[in-house]
Amino acid sequence: NAGVTQTPKFRVLKTGQSMTLLCAQDMNHEYMYWYRQDPGMGLRLIHYSVGEGTTAKGEVPDGYNVSRLKKQNFLLGLESAAPSQTSVYFCASSYPGQPGANVLTFGAGSRLTVL
Amino acid sequence: GNSVTQMEGPVTLSEEAFLTINCTYTATGYPSLFWYVQYPGEGLQLLLKATKADDKGSNKGFEATYRKETTSFHLEKGSVQVSDSAVYFCALSLNTNAGKSTFGDGTTLTVKP
Repeated sequence: NAGVTQTPKFRVLKTGQSMTLLCAQDMNHEYMYWYRQDPGMGLRLIHYSVGEGTTAKGEVPDGYNVSRLKKQNFLLGLESAAPSQTSVYFCASSYPGQPGANVLTFGAGSRLTVL
Repeated sequence: GNSVTQMEGPVTLSEEAFLTINCTYTATGYPSLFWYVQYPGEGLQLLLKATKADDKGSNKGFEATYRKETTSFHLEKGSVQVSDSAVYFCALSLNTNAGKSTFGDGTTLTVKP
């Protein structure tokens, strides 16, 4: 059982380049999320999805797009990378309806550097 | 809005010392509360949780009690080990909010032998 898998693990981009981060989960979870982690700032929600074909904006969505064409996959795209997007990106998933809780399962992270 | 405030770090302790990491929250409604742990180079993983007032979550010797009157969820361990060195995140989640979680800034714990 792989859980949540993120690819790639590391990537270096030049300003203005585009790229896509892929998140795949094999737990049949309905909800999926993309967070970014920056030093001293905890985790901030970029975009999320409550089911196949749906997406919504989180706390810091500017400069990112997402798609959820299949239930198990959640893609995060950067159309024109900027140095401010240098960060570690985490994908997470969860299954709604757990009584009174929403436990997140995280991937190992993708470290992105924009020069 | 919802927010989580954690004790600032880093925290450095000797092995077998007592650990407390403070966490307070602000939320509209009745959140579930969590502690996640992040070991170097890894993603976050759930350490413990509590879903209603006065619940105590526990795991691997760590404990935290959901205190509604003080809006707190402090993490404690009676005797830390070197292997507990990690970053600890307090978080809350509301079932009415698409399950979105709000995280504190994280507290880095280093345990020295």
